[in-house]
Amino acid sequence: DTGVSQDPRHKITKRGQNVTFRCDPISEHNRLYWYRQTLGQGPEFLTYFQNEAQLEKSRLLSDRFSAERPKGSFSTLEIQRTEQGDSAMYLCASSGAPPQEKLFFGSGTQLSVL
Amino acid sequence: AQTVTQSQPEMSVQEAETVTLSCTYDTSESNYYLFWYKQPPSRQMILVIRQEAYKQQNATENRFSVNFQKAAKSFSLKISDSQLGDTAMYFCAFMMSSYSGAGSYQLTFGKGTKLSVIP
Repeated sequence: DTGVSQDPRHKITKRGQNVTFRCDPISEHNRLYWYRQTLGQGPEFLTYFQNEAQLEKSRLLSDRFSAERPKGSFSTLEIQRTEQGDSAMYLCASSGAPPQEKLFFGSGTQLSVL
Repeated sequence: AQTVTQSQPEMSVQEAETVTLSCTYDTSESNYYLFWYKQPPSRQMILVIRQEAYKQQNATENRFSVNFQKAAKSFSLKISDSQLGDTAMYFCAFMMSSYSGAGSYQLTFGKGTKLSVIP
């Protein structure tokens, strides 16, 4: 069990640029989640995959955000035309079945949009 | 929609003492799960303890225990024999126990309580 890994750990970008984050879940986990955490707040749900199917998307996930999980393994989260309000920590988590079982979180990607 | 409220933004406790963190939630569901997660400076969220709403017995994990009051919608975390490594943000979270539409399998988090353990 190598845990959930996220890459990069930090990303600094200029407003208007596109960024992509990667999440590698625990290998036997079929569920994968993306959350966003801003300073002083708890994480907020963005989206959820079961295997390769994206089953839920939050209203927080604007059209500039897209997530994929090809082949039900790793996942990517892309933000197009970044805005300063996108600055946050993006957390990935994975779990087995059922979904109420323990979620294992990665260490997150801290995004700063200048 | 479910909401989770943590009314204590910051708390401190002396090493080896006991501290209780408060959490209240609001839901119309009868079956759900409640969680306490710890987020140390390393930023990785770690599950501390989990409680199933249908169980009357309070969950316990070593030095961590909860006081679950379903009628009052209260879910507090007690940390006994506090250790320096307990210094972290603590988040209370809620998840429904069965699928009942969008949002069922999302964790809804409170804003967190920053706990400092003082030597």
